[in-house]
Amino acid sequence: GNSVTQMEGPVTLSEEAFLTINCTYTATGYPSLFWYVQYPGEGLQLLLKATKADDKGSNKGFEATYRKETTSFHLEKGSVQVSDSAVYFCALSDPHAGNQFYFGTGTSLTVIP
Amino acid sequence: GAVVSQHPSWVICKSGTSVKIECRSLDFQATTMFWYRQFPKQSLMLMATSNEGSKATYEQGVEKDKFLINHASLTLSTLTVTSAHPEDSSFYICSAPIGGTGGTEAFFGQGTRLTVV
Repeated sequence: GNSVTQMEGPVTLSEEAFLTINCTYTATGYPSLFWYVQYPGEGLQLLLKATKADDKGSNKGFEATYRKETTSFHLEKGSVQVSDSAVYFCALSDPHAGNQFYFGTGTSLTVIP
Repeated sequence: GAVVSQHPSWVICKSGTSVKIECRSLDFQATTMFWYRQFPKQSLMLMATSNEGSKATYEQGVEKDKFLINHASLTLSTLTVTSAHPEDSSFYICSAPIGGTGGTEAFFGQGTRLTVV
């Protein structure tokens, strides 16, 4: 079946620190992979995505590479800001399951000045 | 870009009453809508999948008579929490998958914070 395993948090970093949030997946087919971000009291917003192996998604300084050999999609940012404080969800969509989405448990990030 | 509008953003209701949550696709037709529930500090749990013009598909353990889903048009899906109880208090989010040149992705509503007192 399909599932997403995500690094547990919470994660607390100082401003300008390097961020990595690990994400691995299992899938029966060829899924698309996503990172969503949720700010307090809000819904989820797409941060970046990758639709096939070796694709790199990037946005707002965040990036993640679709690694089929390691079934991973780790999120990275070289220098975090206080405004990056949020909950980050790794997800996959399976075209063989009606494009249903499968989410990781979310990782809470707090960036302190 | 595609927008999904969810309403209301928060609601407080008395135990035993029903609450309706609306989810509209504003500039595209959503033949499918996913409804999720999110408990504090946890991930999204898929409750059901609604398809326009047909009955919703519920995930295991979700009571279909308690969480009524209607998807009567290509731009509107509703979730009604019937006879709400305090344990139904949660954050409910809808999302619509949409295909594109970059593959399918999902657009999410803003979420509804339901508090049952």
